[in-house]
Amino acid sequence: DAGITQSPRHKVTETGTPVTLRCHQTENHRYMYWYRQDPGHGLRLIHYSYGVKDTDKGEVSDGYSVSRSKTEDFLLTLESATSSQTSVYFCAIRSEDTRELFFGEGSRLTVL
Amino acid sequence: ELKVEQNPLFLSMQEGKNYTIYCNYSTTSDRLYWYRQDPGKSLESLFVLLSNGAVKQEGRLMASLDTKARLSTLHITAAVHDLSATYFCAVDEMVGGKLIFGQGTELSVKP
Repeated sequence: DAGITQSPRHKVTETGTPVTLRCHQTENHRYMYWYRQDPGHGLRLIHYSYGVKDTDKGEVSDGYSVSRSKTEDFLLTLESATSSQTSVYFCAIRSEDTRELFFGEGSRLTVL
Repeated sequence: ELKVEQNPLFLSMQEGKNYTIYCNYSTTSDRLYWYRQDPGKSLESLFVLLSNGAVKQEGRLMASLDTKARLSTLHITAAVHDLSATYFCAVDEMVGGKLIFGQGTELSVKP
């Protein structure tokens, strides 16, 4: 158990509404990541964080924002959800020595 | 910009056969990771390859890394049904913190 929890695990929302996904870790890791997974695309990096208040963009950051006000929590926000953001979202933390990622259970988001 | 490509994307195998999945990447890196994902589940770390020539084996799976060729392989020996899953490689960008994934290889092992 890598000590990562995502919430909510499932959410259905309507186009135009704001959505926030939460990733919580108990391991005190510096790096945290948000990916989305879609058929045919594998996992694509949205944003990542390398410390409190330190974040950077990934491959598909448009339409998403993130915040990290404390080490244990990394929030992903869709300011105005669109149907193209229907996906499974995975949070991950990075091992300090090997740099491998350990993933949460995923959050399935459906935007109608 | 780092690009990671896997092939094949789909692989249907018979039990007992051998096969190899390839992972190519576009920029210099000496850290590569293999993950397994079962349907509807999260990703599980399989192998961590941290240098040129690294080879790791676990059961019927063996992974290797050639940083000069920017290529990693995941070799499956005498496949069994339990190996059916999607396999991803991921490459560490080294500068910065990004880990970029390939598209995944969906493996189906049939009796």
